[in-house]
Amino acid sequence: DQQVKQNSPSLSVQEGRISILNCDYTNSMFDYFLWYKKYPAEGPTFLISISSIKDKNEDGRFTVFLNKSAKHLSLHIVPSQPGDSAVYFCAAMGFGNEKLTFGTGTRLTIIP
Amino acid sequence: GAGVSQTPSNKVTEKGKYVELRCDPISGHTALYWYRQSLGQGPEFLIYFQGTGAADDSGLPNDRFFAVRPEGSVSTLKIQRTERGDSAVYLCASSARTESGANVLTFGAGSRLTVL
Repeated sequence: DQQVKQNSPSLSVQEGRISILNCDYTNSMFDYFLWYKKYPAEGPTFLISISSIKDKNEDGRFTVFLNKSAKHLSLHIVPSQPGDSAVYFCAAMGFGNEKLTFGTGTRLTIIP
Repeated sequence: GAGVSQTPSNKVTEKGKYVELRCDPISGHTALYWYRQSLGQGPEFLIYFQGTGAADDSGLPNDRFFAVRPEGSVSTLKIQRTERGDSAVYLCASSARTESGANVLTFGAGSRLTVL
């Protein structure tokens, strides 16, 4: 039972354009959502999070949008840079539950 | 140390052997997690420690897998009678909460286990 889904295994975007990565979830008890970025041979690194009481959180070039009614969130990266090429994981956790549930990831390739 | 340290970075073993993977978390982080990532998948939860005790071990796939954290710092993941299906990258993370309350895990680089 995949509670966090990333339906696009890969995405290619031109440098300077906007990258939009999508994530859907099924568990309505999830209270926090996080995005992680992973380079080869490294562990995932935290990018940005959003609480379920908000619908948007912004940090520099990264913005996460949450649509609770649709159980959908997205990560926007603008402008996209070559260093953004990596695998991006969406993750979720429930209030009082300390473990993160991850999606399967989307490989983002930024084309110079 | 500054980050989460995992050793060994690579381990190749034969089917049926015993393996230990070590994790040294960020100093001061009381929570420690083990995840497993197979090819093409996201990290899959195995076990979580709060201090010395396992607060949630619901992700351990079977009784061949065991983890300890005897002094509340370093943790060891132990796999007995390894099988080829155990081949994966084993990730350790420790955590601290953000101001918003999100539980942000900081991951190590992982230990890649290959069972021949």
